[in-house]
Amino acid sequence: GNSVTQMEGPVTLSEEAFLTINCTYTATGYPSLFWYVQYPGEGLQLLLKATKADDKGSNKGFEATYRKETTSFHLEKGSVQVSDSAVYFCALRRSYNQGGKLIFGQGTELSVKP
Amino acid sequence: GAVVSQHPSRVICKSGTSVKIECRSLDFQATTMFWYRQFPKQSLMLMATSNEGSKATYEQGVEKDKFLINHASLTLSTLTVTSAHPEDSSFYICSARQGLNEKLFFGSGTQLSVL
Repeated sequence: GNSVTQMEGPVTLSEEAFLTINCTYTATGYPSLFWYVQYPGEGLQLLLKATKADDKGSNKGFEATYRKETTSFHLEKGSVQVSDSAVYFCALRRSYNQGGKLIFGQGTELSVKP
Repeated sequence: GAVVSQHPSRVICKSGTSVKIECRSLDFQATTMFWYRQFPKQSLMLMATSNEGSKATYEQGVEKDKFLINHASLTLSTLTVTSAHPEDSSFYICSARQGLNEKLFFGSGTQLSVL
């Protein structure tokens, strides 16, 4: 079946450190891939997405590349800030002829210390 | 951007009671709403999809008589956990979509604890 697996948190980094949050997926067909972020007390927000192999999604300094050969969509940022502290969710959406529903990973909590 | 308001953010109740969670779209018409639950350190799991004015479609393994979903208006959906038990303790999140727009807007979630 379709599933998403993220690295376990919490991840604790110092400000300006390099961030990688691993995400791998299992899916039939050609899913779209997403990263959502949830800041404390707020709802999930779309951070970036990629809809086909080798696409790179980017936003707010974060990047992720859709790697079909390794079924991965790792999230990276070159220099994190305290304000990046949040929970990050990787997700896939099956093609619309499979219902188009979002399937999430378990979330990875990031804590950035000054 | 569009805002989805979810209330309450946290609720503690006694076993056997029913709990209602509200999800409101504040500045758009939510033709479709989704309800998710999340156990600690596990994935957000889709429970059901509801379209305004229609009965909700439940995912496999989700008891529709246990988790009552009402989507009577374009701005409000409710999830009622009936006769709650400790195993229903979880984090519940709603999301909303306007028309065929692929973008989803999420509520901030409700932490339910059943004693």
